[in-house]
Amino acid sequence: QKEVEQNSGPLSVPEGAIASLNCTYSDRGSQSFFWYRQYSGKSPELIMSIYSNGDKEDGRFTAQLNKASQYVSLLIRDSQPSDSATYLCAVNRPMDSNYQLIWGAGTKLIIKP
Amino acid sequence: GAVVSQHPSWVICKSGTSVKIECRSLDFQATTMFWYRQFPKQSLMLMATSNEGSKATYEQGVEKDKFLINHASLTLSTLTVTSAHPEDSSFYICSARGGTGRGAQYFGPGTRLLVL
Repeated sequence: QKEVEQNSGPLSVPEGAIASLNCTYSDRGSQSFFWYRQYSGKSPELIMSIYSNGDKEDGRFTAQLNKASQYVSLLIRDSQPSDSATYLCAVNRPMDSNYQLIWGAGTKLIIKP
Repeated sequence: GAVVSQHPSWVICKSGTSVKIECRSLDFQATTMFWYRQFPKQSLMLMATSNEGSKATYEQGVEKDKFLINHASLTLSTLTVTSAHPEDSSFYICSARGGTGRGAQYFGPGTRLLVL
């Protein structure tokens, strides 16, 4: 079992719809959860962080965390073609003093105009 | 806030030469810096973790004598690829973590290395 799992996609969503990206993690000791966006040929960009159960909203983005189910998701409302990218889920490695992150392989999202 | 720069953005070099890549946190002090490598259409691969004034910790399979990391200050880390060979051609990306943010890493724009 991978430490952080994401569906590789591609996930194709019509423009204006809600894109839903999912991630599961294996270590219950993880406390910090992040979503990064990576455009082709570019470096990752932090778009959301979440640390407690529930929802966290920031503009068109909502991160959802369920520690009991070891599940974190990212919702993108009113999807735009500019949202087309690979979305990486990252989880902190428990007990690591450097807060090293464990990375999912990423989900490729395609927003169709 | 949380801006990380990386230079150069592109390097083309001959096999056998050494290449130095700089990573700077511009508006915060980086408690820890990380170096990643990414091959086309593949996942991020952590190469090493470094803290200011300490020796870097390398991931399994990464040659520490080939990939020299120096973290001289809280805002600067360098990666030197020594005696580069074509198989070292890749996208090298640094990230930095501040003292707060519970692990959030902020990435530099990356350096594309092509070894001929």
